[in-house]
Amino acid sequence: AQTVTQSQPEMSVQEAETVTLSCTYDTSESDYYLFWYKQPPSRQMILVIRQEAYKQQNATENRFSVNFQKAAKSFSLKISDSQLGDAAMYFCAYRDYQGAQKLVFGQGTRLTINP
Amino acid sequence: GAGVSQSPRYKVAKRGQDVALRCDPISGHVSLFWYQQALGQGPEFLTYFQNEAQLDKSGLPSDRFFAERPEGSVSTLKIQRTQQEDSAVYLCASSNGENQETQYFGPGTRLLVL
Repeated sequence: AQTVTQSQPEMSVQEAETVTLSCTYDTSESDYYLFWYKQPPSRQMILVIRQEAYKQQNATENRFSVNFQKAAKSFSLKISDSQLGDAAMYFCAYRDYQGAQKLVFGQGTRLTINP
Repeated sequence: GAGVSQSPRYKVAKRGQDVALRCDPISGHVSLFWYQQALGQGPEFLTYFQNEAQLDKSGLPSDRFFAERPEGSVSTLKIQRTQQEDSAVYLCASSNGENQETQYFGPGTRLLVL
């Protein structure tokens, strides 16, 4: 079964600085999707960024970018120019490309932004 | 259109009571998912519908949990004879359209069983 591991329960960063959140996963599949979701204290899960495993180029969305290392099964999220509104729980998630549609989530990383 | 909505947002139940949690997916979304999120944990998959068909219920923790989506739109997650360990946030998500792999989440229902 696929598993996702986030080894950093908590992280903090100074406003305007850069922070990287780590995620590793385990799968025997060659094609799959990886996601980073943000969950602010209001609890609505919001998609931050998505990566297709068949794409070698790392995904970017404005201040958010990923470092996808397929061989190492690593998928880290970099947040540049951190803002107070970035404070939230961040979850890494995996989904098979075909077959099972469900998302498999990591345990989450709580990100604090220090003003 | 509007996002995924869930009701009620909060539910307090006495142990042994039955509860029903409702999810309204984004209009036109074919796929609907239920997840359970315990305090301080990541969400865990419960069940998945494609239209009205329940294609995967492998995550339902016991036969006290039942989900339905009779007309392929609104879904209800029912928990019978609630137990304290059922206390969690129940999240609903839907997907469809150009980016079918992206699931859009509702705000969740926080269930507290006393």
